[in-house]
Amino acid sequence: DAGVIQSPRHEVTEMGQEVTLRCKPISGHNSLFWYRQTMMRGLELLIYFNNNVPIDDSGMPEDRFSAKMPNASFSTLKIQPSEPRDSAVYFCASKRSSYNEQFFGPGTRLTVL
Amino acid sequence: GQNIDQPTEMTATEGAIVQINCTYQTSGFNGLFWYQQHAGEAPTFLSYNVLDGLEEKGRFSSFLSRSKGYSYLLLKELQMKDSASYLCALEYGNKLVFGAGTILRVKS
Repeated sequence: DAGVIQSPRHEVTEMGQEVTLRCKPISGHNSLFWYRQTMMRGLELLIYFNNNVPIDDSGMPEDRFSAKMPNASFSTLKIQPSEPRDSAVYFCASKRSSYNEQFFGPGTRLTVL
Repeated sequence: GQNIDQPTEMTATEGAIVQINCTYQTSGFNGLFWYQQHAGEAPTFLSYNVLDGLEEKGRFSSFLSRSKGYSYLLLKELQMKDSASYLCALEYGNKLVFGAGTILRVKS
């Protein structure tokens, strides 16, 4: 079975540009999570969805960040405009509601110059 | 906040046993997870504790004491491939709150 799929795996962009990160959860999983990992702050939850509905976005740093889940098999995290401090690894994870374990995707390493 | 504390780094010898501790100052969580993360890779699930006590899974065991506010991950018969970061996380509903992680270095 395919795991969580994320694209791109690496993204280098210039400050001020729009960045869109993509995630395909594991089929049958109805919860999806976006995390950010940095050396300074560790692994932080940004937002999560249940059945495509955003439930908790309290971890989203500011209005420059937005996330959508138009259907059960696709989600995006958008940063507009991007800033150097957004440089991090962004992970997407998914789980079934009846199970506790979250499965993480390989991550997108974002560098904003 | 949850104030989840883990040692920053640990070093152990191949074949030995190592215990990685996780302490927290909170209550009301559903359960406690341990994840392993190799450098440049995604976190992968190791263990989950809901009740106090020891959960054993092969070379890895995890222990939880809610009354004492701590957990530990025990790794036996260490192998070089166990060199990784180990993350403790508290579960609140669907949310996980992670500690900063412990970098374990296994030397030969």
